[in-house]
Amino acid sequence: AQSVTQLDSQVPVFEEAPVELRCNYSSSVSVYLFWYVQYPNQGLQLLLKYLSGSTLVESINGFEAEFNKSQTSFHLRKPSVHISDTAEYFCAVAGGSQGNLIFGKGTKLSVKP
Amino acid sequence: DTAVSQTPKYLVTQMGNDKSIKCEQNLGHDTMYWYKQDSKKFLKIMFSYNNKELIINETVPNRFSPKSPDKAHLNLHINSLELGDSAVYFCASSYNRGGTEAFFGQGTRLTVV
Repeated sequence: AQSVTQLDSQVPVFEEAPVELRCNYSSSVSVYLFWYVQYPNQGLQLLLKYLSGSTLVESINGFEAEFNKSQTSFHLRKPSVHISDTAEYFCAVAGGSQGNLIFGKGTKLSVKP
Repeated sequence: DTAVSQTPKYLVTQMGNDKSIKCEQNLGHDTMYWYKQDSKKFLKIMFSYNNKELIINETVPNRFSPKSPDKAHLNLHINSLELGDSAVYFCASSYNRGGTEAFFGQGTRLTVV
């Protein structure tokens, strides 16, 4: 069965610092991985996804994630964060019993000035 | 146009009442879902509906019943509301089951008093 572990529940960083949000997955089938972002009182928005091909995927707002099969990881990184990046970040793997996404417990990124 | 819209955004009601949450998607997707997000932000699948096939999560109390009048709508009806039902409920849709990203609505914050 698929599962997702996000190792950090909270990550506080200062503005313009680099950040890494960690995600490890467990899957016995083909792996499709996603990062979603949830701003306060809003729904989830897709940040980036890995389906196949290049193991490094990028989003339009400077985030990137690298699929590492040997380490079963899909960590999210950004070289310089902004205050506006403050949000909850969820890693997910496709392939639940209902064809649904299985989410990690989320990492709250707090960017301080 | 909002891709996945759900109403109402906020719902406050008393224990024992029956309430419904509506969801509509205009993406032409075949699959729709209901997720529950608890106070710790954990997202858990409740139901998925794919081309008239409803897949029920057996851990969901039978007080919860999804209804889909057509492919673009998946409503959630809840009978005899309990305090523990307080949560944020998210509707989502995807092109098909498994392997693709899901698009989420803005959520319905249900508070049972």
